[in-house]
Amino acid sequence: QKEVEQDPGPLSVPEGAIVSLNCTYSNSAFQYFMWYRQYSRKGPELLMYTYSSGNKEDGRFTAQVDKSSKYISLFIRDSQPSDSATYLCAMCRYDYKLSFGAGTTVTVRA
Amino acid sequence: GAVVSQHPSWVICKSGTSVKIECRSLDFQATTMFWYRQFPKQSLMLMATSNEGSKATYEQGVEKDKFLINHASLTLSTLTVTSAHPEDSSFYICSAPLAGAPDTQYFGPGTRLTVL
Repeated sequence: QKEVEQDPGPLSVPEGAIVSLNCTYSNSAFQYFMWYRQYSRKGPELLMYTYSSGNKEDGRFTAQVDKSSKYISLFIRDSQPSDSATYLCAMCRYDYKLSFGAGTTVTVRA
Repeated sequence: GAVVSQHPSWVICKSGTSVKIECRSLDFQATTMFWYRQFPKQSLMLMATSNEGSKATYEQGVEKDKFLINHASLTLSTLTVTSAHPEDSSFYICSAPLAGAPDTQYFGPGTRLTVL
């Protein structure tokens, strides 16, 4: 079993729709939870991070963490074609080593 | 946000040659940097941890003699792929965390290596 599970998609939504992404994990030692966006042939770009259960909002993005269920989510409201990318969840312990999900490829159709 | 650069952005080499990839933190110091590898349509896999002033630590299954890492300064880590073979062709990405903030790691733009 992988430490981090993420549905690779692909996911296609119309412009303006809500994009819902999620990951599950098995290692209860994970303390920090991040979402990255990666465009083709580019390095990942940090979108959001959190370390506690609950919601965190940043503009159109909302990250949710449920440590009891070992489940994290990312919601993108009012999605735009420019949001089309691969979204990677990642998590780590105090040692800074990131474990990534497989990444979900999202296409927002104009 | 913090910036991490990589050089070169892409490289093509013949089988058997060695290739050096540089990773630099441009506006902050990084005592630790990480090297990842990403195959097409797959996620990033941690290869090794680069530590300034000490030896790198490698993840299970990664050959330390093949992937040489040198953390020359607080802003520079290099990865040398020695005697490269076609199966080493991949996208190599480095990252550097801000001190005391393991949840804010900044990634370089990546280096695409193609071994013929």
